Amino acid sequence: EIVLTQSPDTLSLSPGERATLSCRARQTVTNNYLAWYQQKPGQAPRLLIYGAYTRAAGIPDRFSGSGSGTDFTLTISSLEPEDFAVYFCQQYGSSPPLTFGGGTKVEIK
Amino acid sequence: EVQLVESGGGLVQPGRSLRLSCAVSGFRFDDYAMHWVRQVPGKGPEWVSGIDWNSDTVVYADSVKGRFTISRDNARNSLYLQMNSLKAEDTALYYCARDKGIGGVVIALFDSWGQGTLVTVSS
Repeated sequence: EIVLTQSPDTLSLSPGERATLSCRARQTVTNNYLAWYQQKPGQAPRLLIYGAYTRAAGIPDRFSGSGSGTDFTLTISSLEPEDFAVYFCQQYGSSPPLTFGGGTKVEIK
Repeated sequence: EVQLVESGGGLVQPGRSLRLSCAVSGFRFDDYAMHWVRQVPGKGPEWVSGIDWNSDTVVYADSVKGRFTISRDNARNSLYLQMNSLKAEDTALYYCARDKGIGGVVIALFDSWGQGTLVTVSS
């Protein structure tokens, strides 16, 4: 099982600022099959990025993914009010079992 | 509009059984693999089980293998999860999720989710 560690646990930023979230795998993620999800309170997760850098349908281009191997990054170039949420990474290259990270909360400073 | 609606959750005693259902609409059900994913509030999601479009491939997390059974009825556009020998650690919000894989194969990437049904295992 590939363990994913996300950092930081919480990111306190203001609207308009840049957010950089990290996801580190203990082993290489096969084919860079790494996804990012956004989850708001009381809602299900929403797919943002897959294949490390491909935006899902309807996702604004302020969201971008990068990285390969064991180190991946989600960047939100300029935070909008609706972007304050919890973000999870997930690997699906070596599944089952697929695994999720523990999440990073982006909160308003 | 893609919709996934889970039902069947509730309070159940340890060792008992529960069957979850997921009714889908807005897309051709038999074009997609489907999954169950659970989440304890405040924690990251945990994948539970997946099934390909024609039920040839079914996969389970080790934590539920031998106790849970996933199934689907393409004629009824429905996904199911039979949960037996329930434990306290199975307590979570259970989501039904659609797999993004082409051709109904399991790749375990989730592009649509329901709102979840809560399962509480307690005496």
